[in-house]
Amino acid sequence: EVQLVESGGGLVQPGRSLRLSCAASGFTFDDYAMYWVRQAPGKGLEWVAGISWNSADTDYADSVKGRFTISRDNAKNSLHLQMNSLRAEDTAFYYCVKDFNRGGYLFDTWGQGTLVTVSS
Amino acid sequence: DIQMTQSPSSLSASVGDRVTITCRASQSINGYLNWYQQKPGKAPKLLIYGASTLLSGVPSRFSGSESGTDFTLAIGSLQPEDFATYYCQQSYSTPTFGGGTKVEFK
Repeated sequence: EVQLVESGGGLVQPGRSLRLSCAASGFTFDDYAMYWVRQAPGKGLEWVAGISWNSADTDYADSVKGRFTISRDNAKNSLHLQMNSLRAEDTAFYYCVKDFNRGGYLFDTWGQGTLVTVSS
Repeated sequence: DIQMTQSPSSLSASVGDRVTITCRASQSINGYLNWYQQKPGKAPKLLIYGASTLLSGVPSRFSGSESGTDFTLAIGSLQPEDFATYYCQQSYSTPTFGGGTKVEFK
């Protein structure tokens, strides 16, 4: 069974940093692109960042570019999101998401999400 | 970025009703349109990709269609487990989502 389990969320002050992780299991991790998608409480979905299967390509939403960094460790079947200079508007559930294929922004399987709250 | 305009934002329906949700892209996306279902407190679930291809295991009462930059999700006969919020998403370029349609019990 494909499983994605996020961790690392919590309450953080504006301007500080947080690192999210996602543990993947049940599939060949390095065969797939991976993503982070977020959802502010009670709001819609927003794609945040993506990384290719071999880490050669990464891309980011304009709203987080220069502040967030996506990375992966294929040896450990893990995905990460380093979030710096956090703002109140970054408050959201952050989902780790697997692609349907090697890449194509088709969000096949989602984790349960981890809540990040940015507040003083 | 490509804007996705989804309508309606909410609708009320009864079990057995046929329901349609529309999503319009701000430019051509060559059929790269996907639909997700999200239930309260849960992660979204992929239902349809490529405008009309059902993911394995998705009931056949769900269907998708396209006409130019307009896309439609239809639920043929609404079941109790279908009350949820539905999102469209384009995967033609940097991904963007529609605002969502909440399907509520009438």
